[in-house]
Order: sequence, then C-alpha cells, then structure tokens
Amino acid sequence: GDSVTQMEGPVTLSEEAFLTINCTYTATGYPSLFWYVQYPGEGLQLLLKATKADDKGSNKGFEATYRKETTSFHLEKGSVQVSDSAVYFCALTHRSGGGADGLTFGKGTHLIIQP
Amino acid sequence: DTAVSQTPKYLVTQMGNDKSIKCEQNLGHDTMYWYKQDSKKFLKIMFSYNNKELIINETVPNRFSPKSPDKAHLNLHINSLELGDSAVYFCASSSTGASGQHYNEQFFGPGTRLTVL
Repeated sequence: GDSVTQMEGPVTLSEEAFLTINCTYTATGYPSLFWYVQYPGEGLQLLLKATKADDKGSNKGFEATYRKETTSFHLEKGSVQVSDSAVYFCALTHRSGGGADGLTFGKGTHLIIQP
Repeated sequence: DTAVSQTPKYLVTQMGNDKSIKCEQNLGHDTMYWYKQDSKKFLKIMFSYNNKELIINETVPNRFSPKSPDKAHLNLHINSLELGDSAVYFCASSSTGASGQHYNEQFFGPGTRLTVL
C-alpha cells in the first residue's frame, strides 16, 4: 500500500533560519503530493501541492518540488518566523477516474521556531 | 463563511454510549471524508463518501458508521464507544473534476476532540 515517511520532530530552529523537512513516499503510479499545516488547536490547512513530476508547489515562502526519481517532496523555507511554529504533514493521494481516495499522511513534523 | 464545520468541538462521554458528530460543508463539494487523528498526531482516513459510493477503510470497526442526509452533510455515528476511540476526528471535503478525476485538494473542518471515559 501507499505510505509517506517524514522526519519526526520536534524540529527546533531559530527565527530566520533555513528550514528543510524531508518527505519521501511509496506509491504506485503518479500520486498527487501535498503539504498540510496544523496550527495549535486548529484543523489542517493546505499549504501547497504538486500534481505531477517536477512540479513545484509554493505558498507563504514555502516550497516543495515533486521529485519522481527520488520519490521525494521535501518542504523548504528560506527564513522561518515564529508564526511558522506548527505541525506539518506530508500527504499523497491518487488521481482516479472515479471514487474518492483519501489522503495518506506522514506522521507529521512538529516545528518550533524560537525568537 | 466557514467552509467545513463540525459539531461539537469537544465531546466527553462514557464507555458504551452511542454518539454522533456532525459535519457540514458549504463549498458545493461532492465528496466528504472522515479522518481520525490519534494522540501522536497520526492521521488516518476512515471513510470517503460521495453520492455514488462509500469507501470504508478496512481497519475501521463496524461500530463506526457514516450517515449522509444530503451532499452537504456527512455525520459520523459511533456505537458502543470504547476507550481507544478517544481521538480528534476531522471531517473534510473535496470536489471531483469534470472528467471524474480526483485531485483531492481537501478542505478540513476544525476537528472534534472525543474523550471516552
């Protein structure tokens, strides 16, 4: 079955540091890839997505590139802020001609940014 | 303006009780989902449902049953609650593309924290 592996935290960084959260996946075919963010006490928000190989998703200074050859979708940000402190989830799903596939999530990475 | 809403936000109940969690979306989506997030923050799909089919994760006990009165609602009913059912339950929704393909950009509700005593 499908699976997503991401680095487990917590990851603690200082403000303005460079961020990388690794994500690799195992899946058949050509899944769509996502990063979701969960702020404390809230639901999940879509941060960015990529639907085919070499696509780059970007939002709020975060970026991730769909690398089919390494089955990876690493999340990066050049300069993190305290407000980026949250739990980040890498996820995938399949494009299907019918039916509704749920998302397969990684275990989440808790990011803590210190001022 | 809330896109996906859930009620209640918190639910505390005794073992053996039956309870329901309600979910509503006003996005016009045709597919809705239920996820369970355990104490370690791990998220797992429980159900997905549109007006054509219900897809059930095989690991979900049959004490859990989704009920959809219409396309905008997918409620979760749980019978004979157990301690292990304590978790945060998230509802989500998405839209099927014109060709029937699912890109599955899902929108999540705020979650319902269920505590079974």
